[in-house]
Parts: sequence; C-alpha cells; structure tokens
Amino acid sequence: GAVVSQHPSWVICKSGTSVKIECRSLDFQATTMFWYRQFPKQSLMLMATSNEGSKATYEQGVEKDKFLINHASLTLSTLTVTSAHPEDSSFYICSASEDRTGTKGNEQFFGPGTRLTVL
Amino acid sequence: SQQGEEDPQALSIQEGENATMNCSYKTSINNLQWYRQNSGRGLVHLILIRSNEREKHSGRLRVTLDTSKKSSSLLITASRAADTASYFCAARGGYQKVTFGTGTKLQVIP
Repeated sequence: GAVVSQHPSWVICKSGTSVKIECRSLDFQATTMFWYRQFPKQSLMLMATSNEGSKATYEQGVEKDKFLINHASLTLSTLTVTSAHPEDSSFYICSASEDRTGTKGNEQFFGPGTRLTVL
Repeated sequence: SQQGEEDPQALSIQEGENATMNCSYKTSINNLQWYRQNSGRGLVHLILIRSNEREKHSGRLRVTLDTSKKSSSLLITASRAADTASYFCAARGGYQKVTFGTGTKLQVIP
C-alpha cells in the first residue's frame, strides 16, 4: 500500500512551452501533497505544499505564477511549469500524506520523480 | 537556509564493512526519516524515528537520534555493493514540513 505515481517519468520540451506533471496517490487519500525539485547532485528542495481544495503554499523564492499547482482531488495533484526555460530542467518529485494519526501517521510517500529537460 | 547538513558528503567502503552517516538539522522536529536514492531515481523510504525515540533498528540499519544535539546517524552494517546510493535524512517539523539534508553518497566496493 501507500503508492504514489507520477506521470510522465520524463519529458523533453522546447523553451517557452508549458509542461504538466501529475502526481497520484493510488491506494490512499492524500490530504496533503508536496512538490520538490532536485538539481543534479543536490538534495531535494521543497517547492510548495498543497492541501486538497485550497491554494498551495509556496516556499520562499519559488514563483507561484511559474509553477502552478492544482490539488483538485484527494488523489491527484498537478504541477504545471509554465513557459519553461532550460534553467527549469530538473528532477521534480512529489510526495503525499494522509495527514492522519495511526500506523502511517504523518509519513510522506514519495513518487518516482519526473525528469524535465528543457531545450 | 533551513536545509540540514549531512556528513560525510561522500563515503567509499569495502563490501562487508559498516557505513555511518550523520545528519544535523536546525529546528525542532516531530520525526526524522532516512531515504535512499539511486542515481536518477526516486526516493526509497528506509526508516523513521520519532522525536521521543533514541534508537531504532530495521534489518541491517540502525538509526540514532539526539534531539539535544539536533543530530541523527544512520549505520548500515555488513554493507553490500547494492547499498551503493545516496542517502538523505529528512527532518519533519511543524505543519508537516520536511527538510532534506544535503545527502551522503555511499559507494560500496565489491
């Protein structure tokens, strides 16, 4: 149980286009989803936190108009990189939390990541 | 930066030896988790230790937590070539916010 999927696994796009990345919790309801970015040989940096049905909370330095996050259901969150540029090339990872007490508690479950390359 | 620090940054050991990685964090936490990441892949959850726990074991993994020093260590015993990966600690603070450490790249030589 507690599986999180991401789609696509990798994407290559031209500069100026927009790319949408999906994050799905397959066997649980994710009240909260998180989006991270990881540059080569670096750690994961939290970009934003989204709660189902409300606006995402962005970390300092992350442009909310460039990285659009939608968490419309308890099993799906999307990250859209608008007008992508080569510097947006990165590994984007989502995670999901049930946000309940219990055996899973507040544990986050991570997706496999999406590698974005902007030419 | 709120990011935690890990040391060493990189570690190379012979198969069968033990590997120890350390992690320090900056704010109070609810729990601390360790993850493993193979090159270019997603994260694999290894172990979670809560703020009221001091030590936890899972197979060949042993994690300690010292909240007074805001530090944790991960020990992998009897390492195998398949343990080669990057290891990250992730400290969970308030509002479920998780801050990742800088990571330790472990190489286990067969």
